[in-house]
Amino acid sequence: KQEVTQIPAALSVPEGENLVLNCSFTDSAIYNLQWFRQDPGKGLTSLLLIQSSQREQTSGRLNASLDKSSGRSTLYIAASQPGDSATYLCAVLYTGNQFYFGTGTSLTVIP
Amino acid sequence: DAGVIQSPRHEVTEMGQEVTLRCKPISGHDYLFWYRQTMMRGLELLIYFNNNVPIDDSGMPEDRFSAKMPNASFSTLKIQPSEPRDSAVYFCASSLGLVTDTQYFGPGTRLTVL
Repeated sequence: KQEVTQIPAALSVPEGENLVLNCSFTDSAIYNLQWFRQDPGKGLTSLLLIQSSQREQTSGRLNASLDKSSGRSTLYIAASQPGDSATYLCAVLYTGNQFYFGTGTSLTVIP
Repeated sequence: DAGVIQSPRHEVTEMGQEVTLRCKPISGHDYLFWYRQTMMRGLELLIYFNNNVPIDDSGMPEDRFSAKMPNASFSTLKIQPSEPRDSAVYFCASSLGLVTDTQYFGPGTRLTVL
């Protein structure tokens, strides 16, 4: 079964810290991997999309990496801010055109 | 563009009733997705369309669920008859392409079946 796992389920850090969120997937036959942010009671907002041929993508304080061979992706957030508090989900598009989402990491940045 | 629009935002119904959720994708997007989110199962893809044609409906839980996309600017997800276990937040999303383009999500419809 193609699964997507995110660890930890919850993370709490003081403001200003750099942090890393992890995403693991079971099959390297993927088209892309996306990182999303979800605020309470809201829909998902796409943060970064990494295509299968790419190793990383950057947007502002965010950097996402992809290692297909090990089935892992990380989302690095630099100089965290209270406004970064949200649930972060990764989603994998496998080559069978199947989407799978991880269960998310709930991030709290403490002022 | 106003983004993906979903209606209603909240729906409360009784078991056995028919429920219809509606979605208007972003203009020009060729792909439309329906998702369900629950605490127990997380976010699950139910079905997606390309150019109004259903491509993969393997995530539709059972025959009580059906989805249509009669034109490029409108899609419905129908549950008939509804059951309490269908209570969830249902999201619609759209994208230009499948592999290289991000998905844009609507605000969701919170469905409660009593």
